Amino acid sequence: DAGVIQSPRHEVTEMGQEVTLRCKPISGHNSLFWYRQTMMRGLELLIYFNNNVPIDDSGMPEDRFSAKMPNASFSTLKIQPSEPRDSAVYFCASSLATLPTDTQYFGPGTRLTVL
Amino acid sequence: DAKTTQPNSMESNEEEPVHLPCNHSTISGTDYIHWYRQLPSQGPEYVIHGLTSNVNNRMASLAIAEDRKSSTLILHRATLRDAAVYYCIPIGYNTNAGKSTFGDGTTLTVKP
Repeated sequence: DAGVIQSPRHEVTEMGQEVTLRCKPISGHNSLFWYRQTMMRGLELLIYFNNNVPIDDSGMPEDRFSAKMPNASFSTLKIQPSEPRDSAVYFCASSLATLPTDTQYFGPGTRLTVL
Repeated sequence: DAKTTQPNSMESNEEEPVHLPCNHSTISGTDYIHWYRQLPSQGPEYVIHGLTSNVNNRMASLAIAEDRKSSTLILHRATLRDAAVYYCIPIGYNTNAGKSTFGDGTTLTVKP
C-alpha cells in the first residue's frame, strides 16, 4: 500500500487566496483525520471523519476552514481566505476505525506558507 | 480527556537503552496507552500501545505501571534514526480516538 497520500507537499500562497489541501487515505480505512502542526501550538486535531461523515469539527479554528470527504478515498481541507497565521504543516491521517486499539497512519504532510 | 506529562527532552548515546517516561494519572480504566514518534520532517508514526500488561514489538517495549498512572517506552538499543519527538497518548472508548491529543512530547537526541 502507498500509505496516506497528501498533495501538494508544499504550498506558498498570498494572504486572501483560497488554499485546498488534498488527502487520499489508505484503502479500507474508515476514519480520516486532519491535523495542523505549528511550533507554538504543536500538533492539533482539526476534524475527523468516520465513514465519510464529519464526527467532530470542534478543532477547526474558524469559519475560514472547511473540510469535506465526498467518498472513502478522498478528502479536502480548504482555507478561504487564507491568512499568514495559517502557515503550518497540515497532516492527514487514516485508521481502520476509531476504536482505542486502532492505529493512525499519517501522511507526509503539506507545508503551507501564507505570505 | 486524560492529561499526560512527559519530559521536554532526553539524551541518549547510540546503542544504549533509552527509557522514555510518561505520567497519565487521570487515565480511565479503559484507556489504551499509545506511543507515537515523529521523525524530523515527517508525520507521526505509531510505535506501540498497551492496556495493562507490558508489550513488546519490533520497535520497542512498553512497560505500564501496575496502577496505570504512568508508563515507560523502552528503546533497547538506540540508533541515530531513533532521534525523534515521542508522544504518549491515552485513547479510550470514552475519550474517543478522534480526540487523541498529542501534547508536546519528548524530544530524544541520540549521540554517536
